[in-house]
Amino acid sequence: GENVEQHPSTLSVQEGDSAVIKCTYSDSASNYFPWYKQELGKRPQLIIDIRSNVGEKKDQRIAVTLNKTAKHFSLHITETQPEDSAVYFCAANQAGTALIFGKGTTLSVSS
Amino acid sequence: GAGVSQSPSNKVTEKGKDVELRCDPISGHTALYWYRQSLGQGLEFLIYFQGNSAPDKSGLPSDRFSAERTGGSVSTLTIQRTQQEDSAVYLCASSATSGSRGTQYFGPGTRLTVL
Repeated sequence: GENVEQHPSTLSVQEGDSAVIKCTYSDSASNYFPWYKQELGKRPQLIIDIRSNVGEKKDQRIAVTLNKTAKHFSLHITETQPEDSAVYFCAANQAGTALIFGKGTTLSVSS
Repeated sequence: GAGVSQSPSNKVTEKGKDVELRCDPISGHTALYWYRQSLGQGLEFLIYFQGNSAPDKSGLPSDRFSAERTGGSVSTLTIQRTQQEDSAVYLCASSATSGSRGTQYFGPGTRLTVL
């Protein structure tokens, strides 16, 4: 089955800096890669996703890149703000299967 | 519209007791998922329902865990003879379609504490 590794487990940046979180997956059949943000005590919420037919997707300050050959994908947050502080989870799956999540990255943005 | 709801929000039980956790998915969503999140940990897949197909139970950690989905809507996760290691937040999610075409929307979770 699918296995998703996520790094780093914690990330501290200064406000305005960029943050990058990386994930690798094991199943070459996976074709959907979402990223979820979970604030303390709240439910995970989808912030961006990418499908295997594209290499990059951007939404304002957030971008995701996908390298299918290397089986890794990354989340990029530019111009970080204190409200970006949260736990971020990557995930992967293919049609007909449940999402398999990475173990999460705790991002702290200090002002 | 209404999102995924779960009840109860918190459940405290004694070791050895059975518990039932409920999930109401978004209306019309055919896929429903259960995950477990232990303190400071990631989201561990438990079970997945898609329409009338047999559920994918591959993530259930032991035979003390079971789930059903009645009428293709509400789902109940049952944990029998609870153990302290079952303490976690149990999250339910639903999606309009399965797999790579369906964005999963999560409920608020049920925090289970086994004393």
